[in-house]
Amino acid sequence: DTEVTQTPKHLVMGMTNKKSLKCEQHMGHRAMYWYKQKAKKPPELMFVYSYEKLSINESVPSRFSPECPNSSLLNLHLHALQPEDSALYLCASRDDRSPNEKLFFGSGTQLSVL
Amino acid sequence: GNSVTQMEGPVTLSEEAFLTINCTYTATGYPSLFWYVQYPGEGLQLLLKATKADDKGSNKGFEATYRKETTSFHLEKGSVQVSDSAVYFCALSEQNQGGKLIFGQGTELSVKP
Repeated sequence: DTEVTQTPKHLVMGMTNKKSLKCEQHMGHRAMYWYKQKAKKPPELMFVYSYEKLSINESVPSRFSPECPNSSLLNLHLHALQPEDSALYLCASRDDRSPNEKLFFGSGTQLSVL
Repeated sequence: GNSVTQMEGPVTLSEEAFLTINCTYTATGYPSLFWYVQYPGEGLQLLLKATKADDKGSNKGFEATYRKETTSFHLEKGSVQVSDSAVYFCALSEQNQGGKLIFGQGTELSVKP
């Protein structure tokens, strides 16, 4: 299994809603990432987890709350989002035993905030 | 700081044409270099990579050579197909940076039959 699975594929939410994005991998990767991608732009790093601990937070607003409950799962909890948060949210994982290993990306969750 | 610069798109080619997408980088250390491809409605997939100077990455007919003297990693393909239509991202990763990727702006390629 060399896949990173993200659910849901599409999500529409209001500014007062609370929702969660989910990401799962079974490759034994201990580094997991959340990226945000606007249309026709490169992905922007949001968070990095290493061995289930948050190692990088790229100054992301607190309305985005990541969680890594175990080595296979990564969640992104969303609350009180703004319309400008509408984007494709990508999860990725990496085998961190080698410094040059590639990231495996999921297909993303397309989020629309109304 | 580290950065990646790609040629602007969109690039439109006819099938079987030669493709070059330019990529140059700025880095303080000895980065690894990557080309990722994103097909419509999908996430990013690694196309090829090179981890040290003069390395050549290749995959599916695409090639790129890590040129330290010109700080470049240009992507080439001798004969493109309609199925190559996608957005291509050049990226670098420094050691001891937790696998953090720095992406170029992306180049959209459209191949017409």
